[in-house]
Amino acid sequence: GESVGLHLPTLSVQEGDNSIINCAYSNSASDYFIWYKQESGKGPQFIIDIRSNMDKRQGQRVTVLLNKTVKHLSLQIAATQPGDSAVYFCAENPSYGNNRLAFGKGNQVVVIP
Amino acid sequence: NAGVTQTPKFQVLKTGQSMTLQCAQDMNHEYMSWYRQDPGMGLRLIHYSVGAGITDQGEVPNGYNVSRSTTEDFPLRLLSAAPSQTSVYFCASSYNGAYEQYFGPGTRLTVT
Repeated sequence: GESVGLHLPTLSVQEGDNSIINCAYSNSASDYFIWYKQESGKGPQFIIDIRSNMDKRQGQRVTVLLNKTVKHLSLQIAATQPGDSAVYFCAENPSYGNNRLAFGKGNQVVVIP
Repeated sequence: NAGVTQTPKFQVLKTGQSMTLQCAQDMNHEYMSWYRQDPGMGLRLIHYSVGAGITDQGEVPNGYNVSRSTTEDFPLRLLSAAPSQTSVYFCASSYNGAYEQYFGPGTRLTVT
């Protein structure tokens, strides 16, 4: 929990506004991407995933966008709530059938009431 | 349905001591994994297993051993603890390889 927020990029968002969290990935062969949310003192929690044959996927209040041309992934959170305050990680699976996820370093989101 | 459970929640070891971090899941998931999380480093894969009797190394396996004798349990062993192994350890499981893994609450380990 408290250790994961150290020196992370931080996004401060007003409650009710939309949040956009960005992630650059490294492997152009990656075929699967996933976003996790980690609240202080807890394990990461699955938010949403997307495969490389898609460029957008929507969930409940969240949208993931994938731009393979520039190897960029983003997570949009609509109407941000105080419960959205957490560290957000993107992860990629390097290739089909590979049983590993490579995680990014994370982004801290702080929601201002 | 308890999901993924980890014990202990906290542990302090002296350099050179050994211990086992326990991980269990009750979702009948074939895939299980261990990660360590250090400040500013994200999560790094230590070992993983795609089923009982099958394990493989991840990104940072040195100093750690695993075994998978049952579908439910995937213990992580530190053979001779070192201060560099001070970290938060997470176990995860999935019904479908590395996709959509469910994480446990973590074990905070300090090696002095």
